[in-house]
Amino acid sequence: AQSVTQLDSHVSVSEGTPVLLRCNYSSSYSPSLFWYVQHPNKGLQLLLKYTSAATLVKGINGFEAEFKKSETSFHLTKPSAHMSDAAEYFCVVSEGGNSGYALNFGKGTSLLVTP
Amino acid sequence: DAGITQSPRHKVTETGTPVTLRCHQTENHRYMYWYRQDPGHGLRLIHYSYGVKDTDKGEVSDGYSVSRSKTEDFLLTLESATSSQTSVYFCAISEWQGRNEQYFGPGTRLTVT
Repeated sequence: AQSVTQLDSHVSVSEGTPVLLRCNYSSSYSPSLFWYVQHPNKGLQLLLKYTSAATLVKGINGFEAEFKKSETSFHLTKPSAHMSDAAEYFCVVSEGGNSGYALNFGKGTSLLVTP
Repeated sequence: DAGITQSPRHKVTETGTPVTLRCHQTENHRYMYWYRQDPGHGLRLIHYSYGVKDTDKGEVSDGYSVSRSKTEDFLLTLESATSSQTSVYFCAISEWQGRNEQYFGPGTRLTVT
């Protein structure tokens, strides 16, 4: 069985400061992991994905995430927050095998960026 | 952006009426999915399709049916809408199942009164 836990439902940062959104996963197989972003009243956009290549994954808009198998974590980071980063972020797991037909979403982390 | 459209974008309907939502893609991807998004739940899979006329149930399929008669179209039907089906519905596509990323449509906001 696969699942993800996003450890913070809300995160607030000041513009220009680092962003850390935390995600732990559980998976019976070697998983693929994704981060999606959803701006208010919009669809979901893929930020980045990990599929067993490099453990440090770079995505769009300066975001990156590091896959740590020993910690079963896939935290999302950005060195300097911008006001436009305010959105809902979803950590997502998918694995091969019998349960690989869909993405399994975390409940989301709402990122607030203050001036 | 992936060529995915959903229609209608907003709908208000009454309890007990049937409702059909449409997802249309121009990417010729094999896999299509319907999710619902509710506060505190993230996105949950309703049904998915792995080819024309090939569909299967997801996590929250009760009260929903789907059909796929063409590669580009995937229809979601609420056979008799209930207030618990008030939600935002997203369609997604992928080239193949499992590990590959999915691309999402803009969503349909459905309100059942």
